[in-house]
Amino acid sequence: EVQLVESGGGLVQPGRSLKLSCAASGFTFSNYYMAWVRQAPKKGLEWVATISTSGSRTYYPDSVKGRFTISRDNAKSSLYLQMNSLKSEDTATYYCARGTEAPDYWGQGVMVTVSS
Amino acid sequence: DIQMTQSPSSMSASLGDRVTITCRASQDIGNYLSWFQQKPGKSPRRMIYGATNLAAGVPSRFSGSRSGSDYSLTISSLESEDMAIYYCLQSIQYPWTFGGGTKLELK
Repeated sequence: EVQLVESGGGLVQPGRSLKLSCAASGFTFSNYYMAWVRQAPKKGLEWVATISTSGSRTYYPDSVKGRFTISRDNAKSSLYLQMNSLKSEDTATYYCARGTEAPDYWGQGVMVTVSS
Repeated sequence: DIQMTQSPSSMSASLGDRVTITCRASQDIGNYLSWFQQKPGKSPRRMIYGATNLAAGVPSRFSGSRSGSDYSLTISSLESEDMAIYYCLQSIQYPWTFGGGTKLELK
């Protein structure tokens, strides 16, 4: 059974940093692109980042480019999202998702609140 | 960036109704279109991929179709468990973009 479990969320002040983790199991992690997708409270879904199988290629929307960094550790079957210079508009539930062409499995999500 | 215009933003329907939700792409996305269902407090669930392919475990009353740049999700006979918000996603190019969502409620 594919499982994706996010952790590392919480309350953080504007301008500070936070690192999210996603532990994967039930599939060969190194064979899949992985992504982060977020959802602000009562809003729609927004793609945040994607990383290739080896980690050599990463992709971001303009809204987080230069502030967020996606990475992975295939030996640990883990995905990460380093978030720097956080803004109030980054407040959202962050989902880890598996998928090369598009997400197929999603984690349960972790809440990040950016507020002073 | 590719814009995905989803309609309607909300709708109400009765049990047994046939329901159709549509996304229009601002550029050619081929069949790189997925549909997701999200229930309150839950993660999104993939329903359709490749525009027309039913994801594993999804009931056969759900189907996806394409007509030019218009992509549709159809529920042939609405059941109570189908009440949710539905989103489309284009993944032919980065940035991936989602439609704004359709909230499906029981009439």
